[in-house]
Amino acid sequence: DARVTQTPRHKVTEMGQEVTMRCQPILGHNTVFWYRQTMMQGLELLAYFRNRAPLDDSGMPKDRFSAEMPDATLATLKIQPSEPRDSAVYFCASGFYLDRGRRSGNTIYFGEGSWLTVV
Amino acid sequence: TQLLEQSPQFLSIQEGENLTVYCNSSSVFSSLQWYRQEPGEGPVLLVTVVTGGEVKKLKRLTFQFGDARKDSSLHITAAQPGDTGLYLCAGAQDSGGGADGLTFGKGTHLIIQP
Repeated sequence: DARVTQTPRHKVTEMGQEVTMRCQPILGHNTVFWYRQTMMQGLELLAYFRNRAPLDDSGMPKDRFSAEMPDATLATLKIQPSEPRDSAVYFCASGFYLDRGRRSGNTIYFGEGSWLTVV
Repeated sequence: TQLLEQSPQFLSIQEGENLTVYCNSSSVFSSLQWYRQEPGEGPVLLVTVVTGGEVKKLKRLTFQFGDARKDSSLHITAAQPGDTGLYLCAGAQDSGGGADGLTFGKGTHLIIQP
């Protein structure tokens, strides 16, 4: 059963510490998204990659967040230094996009999320 | 600014009742998707609508895309406790149906009481 795998599932850390979240997309998917979910803002797009190339990270606070995709099986989201306002659930999602002329879209699959609490 | 407004935010009804939740925007979307999210899990895609006025049915769930592709509704007939969850609408503004990411509404928290 193909699925997006995220680690850690839960993380509690102190303000100022570095946090790294990892994502293994579904094999064969060429697009990886990072979203953040909070009660106040809902789901927000932070960054995404296609064929491992970063396409847009305008949703991320640049001074403290960084996203990378060192290989096709691993995407990372790093926060350094972390702050209490970063507390949220961080979701990774993957999908396959090839034909940009199609509006029908493709299914993207979300991981179970990384629950981050910064105290 | 929230591009997609969902209403109601919370809805609690008895099993067997019908309900409709709404997703509204002032922006035009190339396609719109509905997701259901259960506690502790990621959202799961239910349906994608593309054409203005399109209606899709998934068992007891009926999804409609507005004629102008700015709004959508989800109607559930004879709700069951298993329908409980957070229902999210998400719009794509790119020509690739979400290839550049989705804009999500904040969701409708639905509780179906037995």
